[in-house]
Amino acid sequence: DSGVTQTPKHLITATGQRVTLRCSPRSGDLSVYWYQQSLDQGLQFLIQYYNGEERAKGNILERFSAQQFPDLHSELNLSSLELGDSALYFCASSVATGAEQYFGPGTRLTVT
Amino acid sequence: AQKITQTQPGMFVQEKEAVTLDCTYDTSDQSYGLFWYKQPSSGEMIFLIYQGSYDEQNATEGRYSLNFQKARKSANLVISASQLGDSAMYFCAMSRTSGTYKYIFGTGTRLKVLA
Repeated sequence: DSGVTQTPKHLITATGQRVTLRCSPRSGDLSVYWYQQSLDQGLQFLIQYYNGEERAKGNILERFSAQQFPDLHSELNLSSLELGDSALYFCASSVATGAEQYFGPGTRLTVT
Repeated sequence: AQKITQTQPGMFVQEKEAVTLDCTYDTSDQSYGLFWYKQPSSGEMIFLIYQGSYDEQNATEGRYSLNFQKARKSANLVISASQLGDSAMYFCAMSRTSGTYKYIFGTGTRLKVLA
């Protein structure tokens, strides 16, 4: 158990819909990262927050957004969903940028 | 641009033998970190080991060691005394430790331990 929690574990939704994925980092970790893992694209970094502020952006689509709240939990919002958004979405946390990251169990999103 | 290359898509090893998973990287940064993660079939990503670019000694964590050769830009993972539970996907990753954050993963190596 990494100490990072993610909900829900599974999510099935239709194209065009919007979903919210939730993540709670390990106690004491200020950095939260979001990743997308799909079969054809591998593990892709989406976005990082540090203590409530966006720190870095990766390959995140404009239809996706995220935020980190004062209690340090984070949410990833995915809108206008497409079939290609079906993937495993990971949240990870670390004590500092560049340090080892601890991953949550992931949310498996299926868009039908 | 930063890049991680894992050239072995799949490997087999006999139980109790040692195995080396290759990882080469490319970066113009002086300060960076190298990581290995394990992803079993259950899907979770498990942090295994970390090596900083300025660390002179190779990192070790139990049965895992990182063979860091800076001049060759390689960071191979060595697993000693393989166990059946080591069967998994292994990812090499690199992060920039100064300046604009960047964290990239390789494509992974699937390891199968044979009884």
